Amino acid sequence: DAKTTQPPSMDCAEGRAANLPCNHSTISGNEYVYWYRQIHSQGPQYIIHGLKNNETNEMASLIITEDRKSSTLILPHATLRDTAVYYCIVRVAKTGNQFYFGTGTSLTVIP
Amino acid sequence: AAGVIQSPRHLIKEKRETATLKCYPIPRHDTVYWYQQGPGQDPQFLISFYEKMQSDKGSIPDRFSAQQFSDYHSELNMSSLELGDSALYFCASSEGFATNEKLFFGSGTQLSVL
Repeated sequence: DAKTTQPPSMDCAEGRAANLPCNHSTISGNEYVYWYRQIHSQGPQYIIHGLKNNETNEMASLIITEDRKSSTLILPHATLRDTAVYYCIVRVAKTGNQFYFGTGTSLTVIP
Repeated sequence: AAGVIQSPRHLIKEKRETATLKCYPIPRHDTVYWYQQGPGQDPQFLISFYEKMQSDKGSIPDRFSAQQFSDYHSELNMSSLELGDSALYFCASSEGFATNEKLFFGSGTQLSVL
């Protein structure tokens, strides 16, 4: 049921920006894009979410293309503690849960 | 701030035994979700509840059942345990299930079936 496609793995140098892409070409007009991350066996941690406008918070920025078919999560200054699996999730606009994890991107921040 | 609380943190059971996992959502959150994450796997959705009623069902085995109580806490009951049930079980909660409501996850229960 996952509606997203992410690269399986990425590396990023410490202190540089990490740009994690996500494709969600079948997204509907009122469905939000969420990003979570999971640091080894811990509970998934919320990062950011958005509908159509770009969003920024203290953790990251979310850039959503105008056609909403893809998005990019940006960690502006990656640290070693950002090494984790990052999940891009489209929350389906129906009653019930419809909050399904896909495969995610394993990000490794390199010293 | 209060978070989602899961108990126990670790649980060891033998094959064919039963197990009960508990989840206490964030205060005022009325929606609870259960996920199973096997070793090296991504979280798989099991079941969710909204206002004490089942709201959605995923890949939950028939041997498992769950419910949400009047105080909004939830319990996942697992019977006839199998080796393949060994996994990390996460609970999450949200304030309703509107598409712009984010989920908050607990630290999980690590179940080992021997």
